[in-house]
Amino acid sequence: EVQLVESGGGLVQPGGSLRLSCSASGFTLSSYWMHWVRQAPGKGLVWVSRISKDGSDTSHADSVKGRFTISRDNAKNTLYLQMDSLRAEDTAVYYCARFHNFEYFWGQGTLVTVSS
Amino acid sequence: QTVVTQEPSFSVSPGGTVTLTCGLSSGSVSTSSYPSWIQQTPGQTPRTLIYSTNIRSSGVPDRFSGSILGNKAALTITGAQADDESDYYCVLSVRSGIWAFGGGTKLTVL
Repeated sequence: EVQLVESGGGLVQPGGSLRLSCSASGFTLSSYWMHWVRQAPGKGLVWVSRISKDGSDTSHADSVKGRFTISRDNAKNTLYLQMDSLRAEDTAVYYCARFHNFEYFWGQGTLVTVSS
Repeated sequence: QTVVTQEPSFSVSPGGTVTLTCGLSSGSVSTSSYPSWIQQTPGQTPRTLIYSTNIRSSGVPDRFSGSILGNKAALTITGAQADDESDYYCVLSVRSGIWAFGGGTKLTVL
């Protein structure tokens, strides 16, 4: 069964850091581009970042550029999102998504709460 | 900054047809924007319905269809059912390597 499982969410203070992980099973991660998408409580989906199959090509939304870094370890079949200098407005459920032929396949999400 | 636009809300009668649209604050949506449509019921994980303008994801009923109408992407639901009541988001490639979601359309079936 194809599955994406996010982990690493939780409560963090403003200015703090957190690293999210997305573990892939049922398929070979190295064959796919991957994205992170977030959703603040009661709000819509927002694209965050994406990474190429081998990790050499990355891009980030302006709202997180310079603070968030997407990366991957294909040997571990795992995608990451390093989040630094966190702000209250980064509070959201973070979804990882497999992106193949412009089709998203979604994980179940992990909640990040930024609060003092 | 380019903004992806969607109708905030729409209603349709059971059995009726509704077309939701997805545009850009500046410029036109084309097949090169690779529009996708995502369905999400509150509290649930998103589900991809349509990708690359008009390709249905596996298991999606054929009452859902995607197209380009004028300068916008469109999602048409033909023969709406009660369980189609959801939030619908479009997502576009807005420039090289950068994607953007619309604000979503809340669809009511009544």
